[in-house]
Amino acid sequence: GAGVSQSPSNKVTEKGKDVELRCDPISGHTALYWYRQSLGQGLEFLIYFQGNSAPDKSGLPSDRFSAERTGGSVSTLTIQRTQQEDSAVYLCASSLGSAKNIQYFGAGTRLSVL
Amino acid sequence: EDQVTQSPEALRLQEGESSSLNCSYTVSGLRGLFWYRQDPGKGPEFLFTLYSAGEEKEKERLKATLTKKESFLHITAPKPEDSATYLCAVRPGGGADGLTFGKGTHLIIQP
Repeated sequence: GAGVSQSPSNKVTEKGKDVELRCDPISGHTALYWYRQSLGQGLEFLIYFQGNSAPDKSGLPSDRFSAERTGGSVSTLTIQRTQQEDSAVYLCASSLGSAKNIQYFGAGTRLSVL
Repeated sequence: EDQVTQSPEALRLQEGESSSLNCSYTVSGLRGLFWYRQDPGKGPEFLFTLYSAGEEKEKERLKATLTKKESFLHITAPKPEDSATYLCAVRPGGGADGLTFGKGTHLIIQP
């Protein structure tokens, strides 16, 4: 596609439920990133994929968060047993993965945990 | 620890009134400083990337500059459509590839 696509755009869930967020990167981009943007906070890095591998998972806030990428393309961020503090906008970005890479962002998924 | 601090948090200008946004950073081995624009309900939109002190980039009414400790985003004769949140981010050295973002400057241009 022309840009990074994320779905759903909005997700409302109940505390304790699991959620899956999807990211479809720009065609040909080998690197993929997940960030979280909470109200009043800056974007917080979660995880980075190069191809299907995740060399940097340092930003995942707890073991309830996991992510995978298949076929070097689509990625899924899964949050298990959601908590109210997980409410935020989850943003995905992709890049060519070159040394001077520029990250291009999707519109995000707004997650609300009730 | 890598840190990015943006100031002011919010700025209200009249149309045509030029100003500058500041981004101060501390990072181990800078591999790039990025400026993004974010409109409400949308993802950040890439504006500029700077790699070394003294570098400058320009696009329409925007000009970004970089020193060893900070970056400025100069806005010349702004228009209402320049209203947005402007985000600064750094890519640190080493193997990490995620960007470290500041909290942004919320800019409002009044007609």
